[in-house]
Amino acid sequence: EPEVTQTPSHQVTQMGQEVILRCVPISNHLYFYWYRQILGQKVEFLVSFYNNEISEKSEIFDDQFSVERPDGSNFTLKIRSTKLEDSAMYFCASRGHETNEKLFFGSGTQLSVL
Amino acid sequence: DAKTTQPPSMDCAEGRAANLPCNHSTISGNEYVYWYRQIHSQGPQYIIHGLKNNETNEMASLIITEDRKSSTLILPHATLRDTAVYYCIVRVGPYNQGGKLIFGQGTELSVKP
Repeated sequence: EPEVTQTPSHQVTQMGQEVILRCVPISNHLYFYWYRQILGQKVEFLVSFYNNEISEKSEIFDDQFSVERPDGSNFTLKIRSTKLEDSAMYFCASRGHETNEKLFFGSGTQLSVL
Repeated sequence: DAKTTQPPSMDCAEGRAANLPCNHSTISGNEYVYWYRQIHSQGPQYIIHGLKNNETNEMASLIITEDRKSSTLILPHATLRDTAVYYCIVRVGPYNQGGKLIFGQGTELSVKP
């Protein structure tokens, strides 16, 4: 089965530093998503992206966050100035264009902000 | 946020069927019900989805009531590897605007020997 690939699997950074989390969605998919999960909490929606623009974003996705699809295959999440509370597992997901298409999730990037 | 209600936890004996209920009383006519599971902190894994009719695949069966206000996920022969958090989700928003999935707390299923 096709897979969503995320790199790195673990990222450690200092508070205030910028981080970029990378994702390679499934090749013919058109919709892309980022979710996060703080340890012990539920999976939270951050942002959806379609046709090279943000479709929807949650309250969590403030000005410190941005997404980009720089080259037609990668999908990135940038956090400009990380805070301690950004420590979480970040999941990328993608889906095709049909109405009832399922989301495929990657295995996640564990971000630790020190 | 979540439009579904699930019990927080359930136990099941290995080899038995696990029946996980979900209430989605405010579901509208064109909204699908999706089931995902998450093992430890891995990425959520798709299990099955349906609109009106019962569905079956290699992993599970989905039974949706006629009024569509509730559904049951059935794992026919649970194994220890099925221990996970199971999420019942109704997709929020039109599919052509992203149609995000909103995760609730889910049901923590423990399969015991």
